[in-house]
Formats: sequence, structure tokens, C-alpha cells
Amino acid sequence: DTVLTQSPALAVSPGERVSISCRASEGVNSYMHWYQQKPGQQPKLLIYKASNLASGVPARFSGSGSGTDFTLTIDPVEADDTATYFCQQSWNDTFGAGTKLELK
Amino acid sequence: AVQLVESGGGLVQPKESLKISCAASGFTFSNAAMYWVRQAPGKGLEWVARIRTKPNNYATYYADSVKGRFTISRDDSKSMVYLQMDNLKTEDTAMYYCTAAITGGFDYWGQGVMVTVSS
Repeated sequence: DTVLTQSPALAVSPGERVSISCRASEGVNSYMHWYQQKPGQQPKLLIYKASNLASGVPARFSGSGSGTDFTLTIDPVEADDTATYFCQQSWNDTFGAGTKLELK
Repeated sequence: AVQLVESGGGLVQPKESLKISCAASGFTFSNAAMYWVRQAPGKGLEWVARIRTKPNNYATYYADSVKGRFTISRDDSKSMVYLQMDNLKTEDTAMYYCTAAITGGFDYWGQGVMVTVSS
């Protein structure tokens, strides 16, 4: 199975730009998706197929990458963005362990 | 509005069986691949099972951790998806989410149903 590696945690100040990375152990083309999960809630799709903004998601969120290296960018970060962010590849369906984003 | 509503969770003993269900509405269910994704307490997300659409012969796929024990099925006439879980283990304890894949990612998620396996 394809392993997805994410940094465990990041801390940023409101108004800043943050980039969350996801590295795949093998190429997944553009079949990479990003989710936001807040405590006690189900995950929410933010970005599909590497760079496409899901319906209703603010344009502050964007995605980039292909092959093995992918990035979710939030610019500017708002207080409500405190959450855990997961990447997921649909080449053979695995998730990253998640990056916990905290606001300073 | 899109809704996915799971039901049927609960507390069971190891080696017992449980069937959880998901009722879908607000989108063309028959066009969506349906998945079950689980999350153990305080842990990350794990894909469990997948069922494709009728044109794809309702093909099913399973994570290695549940293969041979879990069975996913769907009823397009009722917009329902099910997960039959047999020979449950303590490590199956998790919140189970029903999800619909339309764009390629998991577009829609239910609120989840808790399954606890404990003696």
C-alpha cells in the first residue's frame, strides 16, 4: 500500500500563510485529496484531485502537486481553521496520519 | 441537502457480529461509489470497504485488516449501504463513517456510528 507522510503538527498566527505537506511513497498521479476534521466532527473534503476546490470551501484553501509531493495551502489562516488536516490518495485508498494545525 | 445517516452501532463482544447501515439522500446515490471509513479513538482515518456502481458490477474491495470478516453491500432502490461485520475483534473498535465518492475524493460524510468491541 502507498504510505502518505505528513508532519504531525504546525502552529501559525492568524493572517499568516501555512503550507501542509504530504509525501507519497510512490506516485499517485493527481489522485490526492485533502480533508479538514475538527474535534467531534466528521471529516470535510477541501481539495480533490490535488488542486480542485470542493464545493463551498473558501478560496483561502488551495492545493498543488502531482506524483509524490503534494501541498495544502491556507492563506490567510483564520482562527476557525484550527483542525487536523488529512491527505488521502485514491490510487489504492490510504490516508496520511494527519497534521494538527494550531493557532498561536 | 445531502445527508448520510448511519445506524446500528453499539457494544458487542469479540467474535460477535454486527451490521451497520447508512441511509443516503440529496444526491444520485446510484452514481456514487460508497465507502466505509473508520477512525479508532484518538487515531487517524482508515479506509475499510468500498463498493462500486452498477455499471462496474458492484465490485467490492476491502482493507487487509477486515478482508474475509466484513462485507459491504448496497441497495440502490433504497439508497442504502451496509457493512456486515463478523468475527469482530477489539481492534475494530472505532467510529465508522459512511462516505460517498463522486469527484474522486470522499465528497460526503455521515456523522458516524460508534462500534465498540469489548468483553
